[in-house]
Amino acid sequence: AQSVTQLDSHVSVSEGTPVLLRCNYSSSYSPSLFWYVQHPNKGLQLLLKYTSAATLVKGINGFEAEFKKSETSFHLTKPSAHMSDAAEYFCVVSDSGAAGNKLTFGGGTRVLVKP
Amino acid sequence: EAQVTQNPRYLITVTGKKLTVTCSQNMNHEYMSWYRQDPGLGLRQIYYSMNVEVTDKGDVPEGYKVSRKEKRNFPLILESPSPNQTSLYFCASRHWDRMNTEAFFGQGTRLTVV
Repeated sequence: AQSVTQLDSHVSVSEGTPVLLRCNYSSSYSPSLFWYVQHPNKGLQLLLKYTSAATLVKGINGFEAEFKKSETSFHLTKPSAHMSDAAEYFCVVSDSGAAGNKLTFGGGTRVLVKP
Repeated sequence: EAQVTQNPRYLITVTGKKLTVTCSQNMNHEYMSWYRQDPGLGLRQIYYSMNVEVTDKGDVPEGYKVSRKEKRNFPLILESPSPNQTSLYFCASRHWDRMNTEAFFGQGTRLTVV
């Protein structure tokens, strides 16, 4: 069975400072991992994905994430937060053992960016 | 433009009155699914479909029905809605046979059952 834990439900940062969103996963097989962002009253947009190629994955809007198998982690980072980064972020896992290649979501991390 | 379209975006209804939320995708994806989003719980899968006429339960299927008569459409049916089904609903689609492909999501339907 697969599962995802996002370690912080809320993160508050000042504009221009780094952002770190933590994600740990559990998977019985080689997983694919994704980060999605949800802005208020919007659908979910893909930020980046890990698919067993490079362990450091670069995404849109300056975000990147590093897959660490030994730590079962896939933390999301951005060097310098912008006001437009205020949103909710979801870490998602999919593995080949899940029925229908199911996506399993973490509980989400809401990011507040202070001016 | 590749997209998943849900309707309606907002819906307020009364307990017991049947309703349908429609979902359509234009990417020829085999796999479609419905999720509900509740605070602190992330998105939980309600039902999914791996192709036409093939549907299966997700993690929280009670009180919901789906159908997949055409590849592009995957409606969600609430036969007798109850207040605990008040939630934000998302439809998604992806290629089912490629584990590492991302899902595309609709804009969401905010349902309130009073």
